[in-house]
Amino acid sequence: QVQLVQSGTEVKKPGSSVNVSCKASGDTFSGYSINWVRQAPGQGLEWMGRIIPIVDIANYAPKFLGRVTITADKSTTTAYMELSSLRSEDTAVYYCARDHDDGNYFDSWGQGTLVTVSS
Amino acid sequence: DIQMTQSPSSVSASVGDRVTITCRASQGIDSELAWYQQKPGKAPKLLIYTASSLQSGVPSRFSGSGSGTDFTLTISSLQPGDFATYYCQQANSFPYTFGLGSKVEIK
Repeated sequence: QVQLVQSGTEVKKPGSSVNVSCKASGDTFSGYSINWVRQAPGQGLEWMGRIIPIVDIANYAPKFLGRVTITADKSTTTAYMELSSLRSEDTAVYYCARDHDDGNYFDSWGQGTLVTVSS
Repeated sequence: DIQMTQSPSSVSASVGDRVTITCRASQGIDSELAWYQQKPGKAPKLLIYTASSLQSGVPSRFSGSGSGTDFTLTISSLQPGDFATYYCQQANSFPYTFGLGSKVEIK
């Protein structure tokens, strides 16, 4: 079973960028994807994108195209999500999650990183 | 994008009750659907995948059914730890999308 540990709380100004990390331990990156899902306060879950570290291929939700970049460092088994041009609506808890052996379901989650965008 | 419509948005129930939550996809997704449970301040927890497969470690009182566009999550006998919000998620095509959630509250 993989454990995913994310970086800490961030407070950002509108227009700036944030970079959230997600370190995997207890298992390898091999063959799995790392997904990023966010949840605004009191709201539902929103998938942002994913990366398959072994082939370094990323896919993004159209809503975030051009603003989000997901990368992975196989040597440190860490994935990163950078979101740029931040606005107040980006205030949310950001989760990384690994996919399941049997499909694009998320069976291991990080603890979440709160990103607050405020002037 | 595939829209996922959950109902009800909230339900009040008692310990021991049978609870059913439905999820409808805006287009067919075969059986590529998951159900998650989320408690306040915690990450979601996978309960059911491929519409009806029970995730390892999840109690058997949780079950899922359906295919195509209509899906159901059933809790056969509600336990105190089951009061939470439940989300469905389609895994058929990008972007993966979630329902808005169904909150199970104590009656």
